[in-house]
Amino acid sequence: ETGVTQTPRHLVMGMTNKKSLKCEQHLGHNAMYWYKQSAKKPLELMFVYNFKEQTENNSVPSRFSPECPNSSHLFLHLHTLQPEDSALYLCASNAFYPSSQGRAQYFGPGTRLLVL
Amino acid sequence: GENVEQHPSTLSVQEGDSAVIKCTYSDSASNYFPWYKQELGKGPQLIIDIRSNVGEKKDQRIAVTLNKTAKHFSLHITETQPEDSAVYFCAATPYNFNKFYFGSGTKLNVKP
Repeated sequence: ETGVTQTPRHLVMGMTNKKSLKCEQHLGHNAMYWYKQSAKKPLELMFVYNFKEQTENNSVPSRFSPECPNSSHLFLHLHTLQPEDSALYLCASNAFYPSSQGRAQYFGPGTRLLVL
Repeated sequence: GENVEQHPSTLSVQEGDSAVIKCTYSDSASNYFPWYKQELGKGPQLIIDIRSNVGEKKDQRIAVTLNKTAKHFSLHITETQPEDSAVYFCAATPYNFNKFYFGSGTKLNVKP
């Protein structure tokens, strides 16, 4: 398993619930990402954080709210989701340098989300 | 922005045969190309990567080739084994830019 952990691994929630996904990386990286993976679709980038600052919001609906309190932790707060939001949510991290050295991105195991 | 296309979407080979997966990209500024393997119920795992200053890289049974002029790169798996069965993703990212563009994935099935 990689140095990126995600909890919970599975989540079932109703459309009116509020829940949070958690990601933690133990690799000393300074960039963290949220991706959505739906069946038969490419990985969809949702958010990017560099040094705790959000640098990318890929037109994600406001019912998804990210939080990055430090370079090791990343959260995705969920509220009033829709059934079409059911998917595998993946967290990733890497070391962002000015050069191309050491840019490998490492993924967590994902949270399988089902919205009823 | 960058557009990465991946082919084939599914690939079935006999154990011991070779498998090749191809990707093309559109942005000539892309200079780092990782490949990931995703097994059922797991997140993608990096298996090999290549930078634009290199044309080929090998790691045991896995190799990646890059043609910058044609803007395409390929994953080669030799002597395939049943445990190689998974979904494989290619990706591209430009220099000094922290955004990865992924292909749509190839489901590889290695038949024993």
